[in-house]
Amino acid sequence: KAGVTQTPRYLIKTRGQQVTLSCSPISGHRSVSWYQQTPGQGLQFLFEYFSETQRNKGNFPGRFSGRQFSNSRSEMNVSTLELGDSALYLCASSLAGFGARQETQYFGPGTRLLVL
Amino acid sequence: AQSVTQPDIHITVSEGASLELRCNYSYGATPYLFWYVQSPGQGLQLLLKYFSGDTLVQGIKGFEAEFKRSQSSFNLRKPSVHWSDAAEYFCAVGAGTGFQKLVFGTGTRLLVSP
Repeated sequence: KAGVTQTPRYLIKTRGQQVTLSCSPISGHRSVSWYQQTPGQGLQFLFEYFSETQRNKGNFPGRFSGRQFSNSRSEMNVSTLELGDSALYLCASSLAGFGARQETQYFGPGTRLLVL
Repeated sequence: AQSVTQPDIHITVSEGASLELRCNYSYGATPYLFWYVQSPGQGLQLLLKYFSGDTLVQGIKGFEAEFKRSQSSFNLRKPSVHWSDAAEYFCAVGAGTGFQKLVFGTGTRLLVSP
């Protein structure tokens, strides 16, 4: 079974631009979560989508948004990029149904975003 | 609020020696705990997880972890470290709806000396 895939793997943008990252979950997985990893802040949860609805949300500004499609694929968008948005963005998927327990997240390789 | 503390930023272990990485958590109920490993430039790989039941859990690559509720700890251990174990290790607790919001510790970087 193929793992979580993320595209693109590397991205360079300039301040003020916007960017869209894509994540394809493991086949059959319905939940997709996004994380930001930086040297200063570590791994921080952005949001989670399940059945095309945002179910959990982290403490990031509204410039960070996401969506999930009916095939469970997910995109995250960052508008008006800032230098501090440079990070590794990780996507994870799990089976997690509503109220499900013992659901493990499996991570993709990440998209490394550099904002100049 | 949920939190995870990994008190050791770096640890150096000789190849063949035993390893213990510390993790303490703060969570109001029975925690769902995880250990992930990250090699440079890579995503996170699940080593093991604890949900309930036996407090000693076995994972991949010869790792194990012990859940101790009284100490709010979930330490990772390996009896004999290999050079390929050099990586960064993250402890996490599951929170939020469906426990899908992972709260991570700051990580411990493991260096393996020959």
